[in-house]
Amino acid sequence: DADVTQTPRNRITKTGKRIMLECSQTKGHDRMYWYRQDPGLGLRLIYYSFDVKDINKGEISDGYSVSRQAQAKFSLSLESAIPNQTALYFCATSGTGISGYTFGSGTRLTVV
Amino acid sequence: KQEVTQIPAALSVPEGENLVLNCSFTDSAIYNLQWFRQDPGKGLTSLLLIQSSQREQTSGRLNASLDKSSGRSTLYIAASQPGDSATYLCAVRPGNFNKFYFGSGTKLNVKP
Repeated sequence: DADVTQTPRNRITKTGKRIMLECSQTKGHDRMYWYRQDPGLGLRLIYYSFDVKDINKGEISDGYSVSRQAQAKFSLSLESAIPNQTALYFCATSGTGISGYTFGSGTRLTVV
Repeated sequence: KQEVTQIPAALSVPEGENLVLNCSFTDSAIYNLQWFRQDPGKGLTSLLLIQSSQREQTSGRLNASLDKSSGRSTLYIAASQPGDSATYLCAVRPGNFNKFYFGSGTKLNVKP
């Protein structure tokens, strides 16, 4: 099993719908992140969490919300999806100290 | 704010060639630097993680170096193969651990 699992892998949704992307990890890391990737814009941080009670906005949090249900679970919600939220979404984890990032395989979201 | 730049944006080489990918960053107060590989539409796979106290890391045909004082890292790929074709990203972790900063990547094409 993957260390960082994202579900669903692909999703097509309609404008105005609420959608949730889920992330779970078996790395035992405290820190979890949500990024989106768009062609030509690179990776942009949406939200991050350093523990269950800690949630922080990233560069582009408008239109998104998150929930850290447990140390191992971090969900991203789009409250009312719009077409410019069509992107590849990644969850990542990191530990404290000297560890690097571990990424999930991504969720390809299309809003029509 | 940390700025991470990767040059070139794209590179095409014949199979068997040794090559160097460059990553530069503006703030030398980093904790570590990580190189990733990304295949089209896929997740990011960690290749090498260099701590700020290290000068280089090696894994198989890959060697990453770090020069903090000059704000540079290089990823050396020996005897390139078509299977090395992918986008390579570097990410810098600042000393305050808040987030990683990503470069925009170098898209590598190794021609058979």
